[in-house]
Amino acid sequence: AQSVTQPDIHITVSEGASLELRCNYSYGATPYLFWYVQSPGQGLQLLLKYFSGDTLVQGIKGFEAEFKRSQSSFNLRKPSVHWSDAAEYFCAVGENTGFQKLVFGTGTRLLVSP
Amino acid sequence: GAVVSQHPSWVICKSGTSVKIECRSLDFQATTMFWYRQFPKQSLMLMATSNEGSKATYEQGVEKDKFLINHASLTLSTLTVTSAHPEDSSFYICSASPGSGGDTQYFGPGTRLTVL
Repeated sequence: AQSVTQPDIHITVSEGASLELRCNYSYGATPYLFWYVQSPGQGLQLLLKYFSGDTLVQGIKGFEAEFKRSQSSFNLRKPSVHWSDAAEYFCAVGENTGFQKLVFGTGTRLLVSP
Repeated sequence: GAVVSQHPSWVICKSGTSVKIECRSLDFQATTMFWYRQFPKQSLMLMATSNEGSKATYEQGVEKDKFLINHASLTLSTLTVTSAHPEDSSFYICSASPGSGGDTQYFGPGTRLTVL
């Protein structure tokens, strides 16, 4: 069965500093990978996704992620964090099946210090 | 585009009563809808997957008689928590997908259920 590991429960970054959130997955086939952000009182918003092709994926809000098959990783990055980026971030892997079931990691809470 | 709504956003009910939560895709037709449960400071756990006009597929450990799911149209799915108990208190989130394979899920804002 597929699984997702986000090793960092929470991370604090200074505003303007770079960010990298780690995600490792376990899946037998080529995975569909996603990063979602959850802000208080709001639904999960898709930041970016990887299905195939270029392993460096650009998303919204200045985020990008790189798929590394050899490391089973899909880390999320942003070169300069803004205070509004403070939220909970979830990595997810999707089954390559008709129903596209998602398995989520436990999330990383990003805190942004002034 | 791709907006999913949930109603209500929060609900408080007495133990033993039933609660219905609606999930609607507002600007697209959702072939598949998903229901998740999220415990405080934890991840989302998939409860069930539903396709319009067919019975929902429940994940292992989820009681289908307790969590009734109806996907009556391509824009509406409902989750009914029957005979709710305090342990059913949680954050319930739905998502909708326009396709049946490889498509992105779009998430609703969630419904906070508190059972007294």
